[in-house]
Amino acid sequence: ETGVTQSPTHLIKTRGQQVTLRCSSQSGHNTVSWYQQALGQGPQFIFQYYREEENGRGNFPPRFSGLQFPNYSSELNVNALELDDSALYLCASSRSGTTETQYFGPGTRLLVL
Amino acid sequence: GIQVEQSPPDLILQEGANSTLRCNFSDSVNNLQWFHQNPWGQLINLFYIPSGTKQNGRLSATTVATERYSLLYISSSQTTDSGVYFCAVGHAGKSTFGDGTTLTVKP
Repeated sequence: ETGVTQSPTHLIKTRGQQVTLRCSSQSGHNTVSWYQQALGQGPQFIFQYYREEENGRGNFPPRFSGLQFPNYSSELNVNALELDDSALYLCASSRSGTTETQYFGPGTRLLVL
Repeated sequence: GIQVEQSPPDLILQEGANSTLRCNFSDSVNNLQWFHQNPWGQLINLFYIPSGTKQNGRLSATTVATERYSLLYISSSQTTDSGVYFCAVGHAGKSTFGDGTTLTVKP
């Protein structure tokens, strides 16, 4: 059974740029959730994708957007990067459009300068 | 939105000691998970426990959904137990994490 993978592992961008992060879900899982974790805090829910549609969203502005593909992998896109977007971005996969029993990837560390 | 509070925020133990971590939540939840985050940032599943009690080796967890809290017990702690422990609850289609308990186990 393949676990959740994310790419890239680290990324450095400058303010105003755009970034795309990628996530492959665990085999058998059709739901992907994305989280932002700032230093010293718990992960904050950005949104969830189920069957290629957004299935729930946290308190993040529209410049945070995503996609889910037919193979259930997902992308997180952030436009107009701000310094406060520097964080660890985590994705989690689960079954059937819920947040129960989520399995997390290793994360992408984004630094915005 | 739902509030999730974890206590204590920090815990320092000697190897071999036992500990109890608590997670309180402000509304009814559909699910609850406990995670351990290692120093590299990886979140590792410990328990999926919306109610009841589960045990896995030295770790056990209890959730009393009607009273809106969950407890994680660590017995005979080891240095490898160090890290941050999070609970996460599912409510209204979203998942909300607490701010975690940072556990340090000294040899």
